[in-house]
Amino acid sequence: DADVTQTPRNRITKTGKRIMLECSQTKGHDRMYWYRQDPGLGLRLIYYSFDVKDINKGEISDGYSVSRQAQAKFSLSLESAIPNQTALYFCATSDRGGGGNEQFFGPGTRLTVL
Amino acid sequence: LAKTTQPISMDSYEGQEVNITCSHNNIATNDYITWYQQFPSQGPRFIIQGYKTKVTNEVASLFIPADRKSSTLSLPRVSLSDTAVYYCLVGRDNYGQNFVFGPGTRLSVLP
Repeated sequence: DADVTQTPRNRITKTGKRIMLECSQTKGHDRMYWYRQDPGLGLRLIYYSFDVKDINKGEISDGYSVSRQAQAKFSLSLESAIPNQTALYFCATSDRGGGGNEQFFGPGTRLTVL
Repeated sequence: LAKTTQPISMDSYEGQEVNITCSHNNIATNDYITWYQQFPSQGPRFIIQGYKTKVTNEVASLFIPADRKSSTLSLPRVSLSDTAVYYCLVGRDNYGQNFVFGPGTRLSVLP
C-alpha cells in the first residue's frame, strides 16, 4: 500500500551497529505499529503508538526503541543489532474508528544482521 | 486476547470454493473477527471483518455462528493468485488492545 512507506526496503548490517528503520504514512491515521516476522511465523508486535505522545511496548520490545516524530512518522531503532534480529519488519497504521481494527501495512524492510 | 487456532496449511484447486475455519473459544463480547491475507515478502492485507452472522464483500464471505467461538472464511472460486497465508485475528478496538497474528493458514491453490 503506497500510503504506508518504509525505508530502507533492504538492509544488511553487522552485529553491534545501530540501525533505524523509518515508516511514513499519508493516511492521516493516529495509530502506528511496528511488527517483525520471522520465516514461517506470524507477525509479532514490537511497539505501538496511539498518538504522538503515546508509546507502548508490544510483545517483543527488548532490544528495540521507537520514536514518533509526528503523526505521520514512526521510527524503529535497533541500538546494537544482533543476528537474531534478522527478520522482516513491517510498519502498520490504523484509524481510531470504532468497531474492530483494520490495519494497513507497509511493504516491509528486510533486515539482515551479520 | 482471545487465542485463535486455524489449520497450518490447505490445498485447493483453481475454481473451487475454499473454507478456512478459525477457532476462538475465548472470544470476548466486544471482540471482532478479522481476516488478513499475506503474499510472500509483502505486508498483510485486510480481507474482511465481522462481529456476528455473515459478512460478505467482493473478495470473501465470513460466517460466524451464534456462539462466536469459531468463524469460517470462504473464498469463492479461488485462482492461483489466491495462494497466500491467511490470518484469523480476534480483538477489539480499544486503547491498549492489539491483534495477535498467529502462524496463519498457508493456502496453496493448484492448477
